[in-house]
Amino acid sequence: GEDVEQSLFLSVREGDSSVINCTYTDSSSTYLYWYKQEPGAGLQLLTYIFSNMDMKQDQRLTVLLNKKDKHLSLRIADTQTGDSAIYFCAERYSSASKIIFGSGTRLSIRP
Amino acid sequence: EADIYQTPRYLVIGTGKKITLECSQTMGHDKMYWYQQDPGMELHLIHYSYGVNSTEKGDLSSESTVSRIRTEHFPLTLESARPSHTSQYLCASSEDSVSPYGYTFGSGTRLTVV
Repeated sequence: GEDVEQSLFLSVREGDSSVINCTYTDSSSTYLYWYKQEPGAGLQLLTYIFSNMDMKQDQRLTVLLNKKDKHLSLRIADTQTGDSAIYFCAERYSSASKIIFGSGTRLSIRP
Repeated sequence: EADIYQTPRYLVIGTGKKITLECSQTMGHDKMYWYQQDPGMELHLIHYSYGVNSTEKGDLSSESTVSRIRTEHFPLTLESARPSHTSQYLCASSEDSVSPYGYTFGSGTRLTVV
């Protein structure tokens, strides 16, 4: 069945890079997403990548996709205190299917 | 800026009361979803709708019910609230014809049943 897994916690020092990892089981996934949830708020789409891409960069964010290993990662360069949040990895088989979310990784920033 | 609105943001209510959590979106999205989020962060899909008069139960069994009489409105009702219903409830919507086909989430309702 479909499953998306992430580690629960990550702690990084301010200014360092954060790398959040995710593995998924559905090899037919077409769309992969990273959502960010700040305290007391809903989820916000942070970035996404289509399965025919290996990498996508958007300012401080870099998404890497390894389809062979079904591994997705999100790298945040120069991590700031405002990056403290829960990050959800998610996959979707097609535009008509439901999105499957991982359990979320809580990113904390230490000075 | 979110075009999906949830009210109330916070609700504290006594056991046995009937409550309705409101969710409205102004984007004309056909698909709408309700998620329950535990303090442990994981999202559990409890209801979804693919259009007016269409509702389905999600992956997690829930005592709540939903209705979809209008495209923009997807309320969730608990007939008799219990402390086990204490949680964060998130509403989302999506449009299949617009890439990247992601979900738009509301800000959530944090429900506490005492």
